Amino acid sequence: DSGVTQTPKHLITATGQRVTLRCSPRSGDLSVYWYQQSLDQGLQFLIQYYNGEERAKGNILERFSAQQFPDLHSELNLSSLELGDSALYFCASSVEQKGEKAFFGQGTRLTVV
Amino acid sequence: SQKIEQNSEALNIQEGKTATLTCNYTNYSPAYLQWYRQDPGRGPVFLLLIRENEKEKRKERLKVTFDTTLKQSLFHITASQPADSATYLCALPLSYGQNFVFGPGTRLSVLP
Repeated sequence: DSGVTQTPKHLITATGQRVTLRCSPRSGDLSVYWYQQSLDQGLQFLIQYYNGEERAKGNILERFSAQQFPDLHSELNLSSLELGDSALYFCASSVEQKGEKAFFGQGTRLTVV
Repeated sequence: SQKIEQNSEALNIQEGKTATLTCNYTNYSPAYLQWYRQDPGRGPVFLLLIRENEKEKRKERLKVTFDTTLKQSLFHITASQPADSATYLCALPLSYGQNFVFGPGTRLSVLP
């Protein structure tokens, strides 16, 4: 158990819909990262938050947004969903903002039908 | 931007042998480099971190080297076991001091 909790584990939704993925980081970790992993694809960095503030953006679509709340949990919002958004979405956390020794959650498997 | 390459998509070795995986990067040398293990459908698990001023790091049967001249890291698993079969990913900072991105990974299969 990494200590990072992601909910829900599975999500099936229709095209055009909006979903919210939730991540609770390990106790004491201030940085949260979101990654997308499509079938047989590598891990694509989406966005990072550190202590409530956005720190870095990767290949995140404009239809996607995220935030980190005062209690340090984070949510990734995906809207106007397309079939191609079907993927595993991972959240990771680390103590510092540099991303050393990050711990990953078990992921949310999103299926868009 | 930084490009990360890992030696091969898949590597098959016999149980008991040493597996050697390669991670190459193209641009600036990062302050550190990390190796993770990922099993199918699960999140990556941190294995080792090596800093730019370290040549080698060990943890049990794992060894990592870091050559900033060659812009390369080698990851070794000695006395490999079928339970070591997984995808191994290297990860390094996007830019100096920044968060990290992953290489494409090498899928290792240890055959009994």
